[in-house]
Amino acid sequence: AQRVTQPEKLLSVFKGAPVELKCNYSYSGSPELFWYVQYSRQRLQLLLRHISRESIKGFTADLNKGETSFHLKKPFAQEEDSAMYYCALPLFSGNTPLVFGKGTRLSVIA
Amino acid sequence: KAGVTQTPRYLIKTRGQQVTLSCSPISGHRSVSWYQQTPGQGLQFLFEYFSETQRNKGNFPGRFSGRQFSNSRSEMNVSTLELGDSALYLCASRAGTDTGELFFGEGSRLTVL
Repeated sequence: AQRVTQPEKLLSVFKGAPVELKCNYSYSGSPELFWYVQYSRQRLQLLLRHISRESIKGFTADLNKGETSFHLKKPFAQEEDSAMYYCALPLFSGNTPLVFGKGTRLSVIA
Repeated sequence: KAGVTQTPRYLIKTRGQQVTLSCSPISGHRSVSWYQQTPGQGLQFLFEYFSETQRNKGNFPGRFSGRQFSNSRSEMNVSTLELGDSALYLCASRAGTDTGELFFGEGSRLTVL
């Protein structure tokens, strides 16, 4: 089975500072990776997926197969970015249920 | 479209009891997955159902079981509750098994005393 590691439980940054949330994975084959976000008192929801190559709310994530990483980045953090962020990939090869990392809580300080 | 609906939202049980949680997926979604969310372990996959069949199962004891009905609604059951079963149980649906985007419910928060 695949595995996702998010090494930081908590990340605090000042408003306007750059943000990088780390995600490393183990996977055999070509993974499809996701970032999910959970704002306070809201449902867990998809933020972005690597195959779409989109920038959502200013966030981007690049898949680095050599380093097996999928770090989430934003050049200038906003207070509304404070949330719990989860990296995820399929449990097995192919489109199977997602397995999530333990999450990183991002706190943006005004 | 209505989102994923989970009931009950909160419940308190005592050790040894059993509990049944319900999940109604988004209309048209045939795949339902269940996750256990705790502060220490994050989200852990329990099982996934598609068209009334369990397709995948996570690493949980047999006390955890589930099923899916013909209308895609799903239930999960935990028997002989333990203190460690206290958690937020999340249900998520997706349209089929060929897309990774999950749509989550608000969860059922179970407290075991």
